[in-house]
Amino acid sequence: DTGVSQDPRHKITKRGQNVTFRCDPISEHNRLYWYRQTLGQGPEFLTYFQNEAQLEKSRLLSDRFSAERPKGSFSTLEIQRTEQGDSAMYLCASSLVSSTDTQYFGPGTRLTVL
Amino acid sequence: RKEVEQDPGPFNVPEGATVAFNCTYSNSASQSFFWYRQDCRKEPKLLMSVYSSGNEDGRFTAQLNRASQYISLLIRDSKLSDSATYLCVVSGQDMEYGNKLVFGAGTILRVKS
Repeated sequence: DTGVSQDPRHKITKRGQNVTFRCDPISEHNRLYWYRQTLGQGPEFLTYFQNEAQLEKSRLLSDRFSAERPKGSFSTLEIQRTEQGDSAMYLCASSLVSSTDTQYFGPGTRLTVL
Repeated sequence: RKEVEQDPGPFNVPEGATVAFNCTYSNSASQSFFWYRQDCRKEPKLLMSVYSSGNEDGRFTAQLNRASQYISLLIRDSKLSDSATYLCVVSGQDMEYGNKLVFGAGTILRVKS
């Protein structure tokens, strides 16, 4: 499968714990995005990378959230001191810089904070 | 006010019906427009891009009116497999939006036999 992959697919954690999610983009895609989706809403942008550079961060991304893409390939999203309000689906997408810049989404990581 | 507004539905239609979804966006600097489809508990998938001249892909027709900041999607001859949430999406190249996608909350379509 050459699509975007995410790991884990599901994560249940207790409030206050730290969690880390991984995203592997489509090979050779140089842009990588993170979104968050809660029930009944569309995905909301969190941050994006072009190669290893983090170029934009949403105001939604509090200081408990950090994302990295150290070698311009896979990316990690860490949430420290999780809160119940962090429960959501975390989606990763990748794209190739082009005139269309179409974003392809991974299956997501569903986080439940108890 | 949300940046992208959609009627949440649900739209309950019989097989074979024609159904239309509408969407409005607030940022006049938006450059690109899309419809994504999302099945229950799955990731969004690109259905089609939307151009000012209008575009068609089989049973699906999308229209963009930049002056009114309005996007539409028409589905003809609805199939059971069309049941999903349809997300209206815009993106821009300006300082505020960067290359991120801005999604509406989605419109739920249920096609019944």
